[in-house]
Amino acid sequence: TQLLEQSPQFLSIQEGENLTVYCNSSSVFSSLQWYRQEPGEGPVLLVTVVTGGEVKKLKRLTFQFGDARKDSSLHITAAQPGDTGLYLCAGVTGAQKLVFGQGTRLTINP
Amino acid sequence: DAMVIQNPRYQVTQFGKPVTLSCSQTLNHNVMYWYQQKSSQAPKLLFHYYDKDFNNEADTPDNFQSRRPNTSFCFLDIRSPGLGDAAMYLCATSREDRGFSPLHFGNGTRLTVT
Repeated sequence: TQLLEQSPQFLSIQEGENLTVYCNSSSVFSSLQWYRQEPGEGPVLLVTVVTGGEVKKLKRLTFQFGDARKDSSLHITAAQPGDTGLYLCAGVTGAQKLVFGQGTRLTINP
Repeated sequence: DAMVIQNPRYQVTQFGKPVTLSCSQTLNHNVMYWYQQKSSQAPKLLFHYYDKDFNNEADTPDNFQSRRPNTSFCFLDIRSPGLGDAAMYLCATSREDRGFSPLHFGNGTRLTVT
């Protein structure tokens, strides 16, 4: 079974600070998706990374796929209260299954 | 414009009393999924339909069943809910039954079992 471990599981920081969330595995994934889930809502896709070493930016969010396609990171610059939510990474296995990490609960305090 | 709609948003049922959750989609996607999500945990796939083909996950309890009468609708039936079945139930769709095809989630139904 391919597993994805996210760290940290919980993170609470002040508005304006920077942060990085990690998604790690010992297995290779063909691609990786990041979702954000706000309280009381379903997850919403933020980005898909496909190529090893790929970097994608979405405003203040920077996503990177590891060179070996086993890990990924999400960096947020100048965090805002609107960034609060559960961040989920999900890797696509060779068998075309989607495997979710357990999520990082992020709280940005005003 | 909501594209994956789940009803109701909140459902309360009694221990052992059957309950049905519904999901509809306007995306005309081939695949519909049901996930169970417990507090601050990752969504856990229960089963999915590719068109009319039903695919059950190996560890999904027999207590959970699903129906997909047409492309737009999918239902989750819990035959005899237990306290451990209290969770958020998420419906999702994707165009293809391939992992790279991103999921479009509804806002979920939060189930309480009393």
